[in-house]
Amino acid sequence: ILNVEQSPQSLHVQEGDSTNFTCSFPSSNFYALHWYRWETAKSPEALFVMTLNGDEKKKGRISATLNTKEGYSYLYIKGSQPEDSATYLCAFDSSGGYQKVTFGTGTKLQVIP
Amino acid sequence: GAVVSQHPSRVICKSGTSVKIECRSLDFQATTMFWYRQFPKKSLMLMATSNEGSKATYEQGVEKDKFLINHASLTLSTLTVTSAHPEDSSFYICSALARGDGETQYFGPGTRLLVL
Repeated sequence: ILNVEQSPQSLHVQEGDSTNFTCSFPSSNFYALHWYRWETAKSPEALFVMTLNGDEKKKGRISATLNTKEGYSYLYIKGSQPEDSATYLCAFDSSGGYQKVTFGTGTKLQVIP
Repeated sequence: GAVVSQHPSRVICKSGTSVKIECRSLDFQATTMFWYRQFPKKSLMLMATSNEGSKATYEQGVEKDKFLINHASLTLSTLTVTSAHPEDSSFYICSALARGDGETQYFGPGTRLLVL
């Protein structure tokens, strides 16, 4: 069983603050690392697919970095807004065929107005 | 963007009954769909991969006779929990793979099953 961990499990930030959280995954057999944003009662939304060591991706105020050698990815949110409140889920893909995708437990973010 | 629906969103049933959950890709064809189960405070766990027109591939430890999967068309996959028991109570979520879209998975909103 692959170990994909996310930290912290939950956090509260004030509106306007920037924040970041971590996804840790095995450093071997890496194919891709996915980040999803999941609001309660809605479908998870794909944010990033990261494949290369050193990758940095950005979508609006959200960005992510990838270190495959040490097995971690950071997700950053700049200037958090209440609408950013959601669970952020990472998924480690070791085969490229989705047969071996392992999800983390998620980081639940609450942005306080 | 691509939309995946699940029905029902919530179901309560008596122990021993069977429950069918539908997963539909609304605006795209999905040759492959996935079924996940989430236990409280734990990761999503892949249960099976469903390919249109062929038998599903089940992950180790998932009983194929307990969780029947049918992918009869390019837009519909069903998961039937047969003879459900309280330990089957969980959150079930499907996703569909949109080919030609960077191999992105699109998730359904999930189905919460409670077996009494």
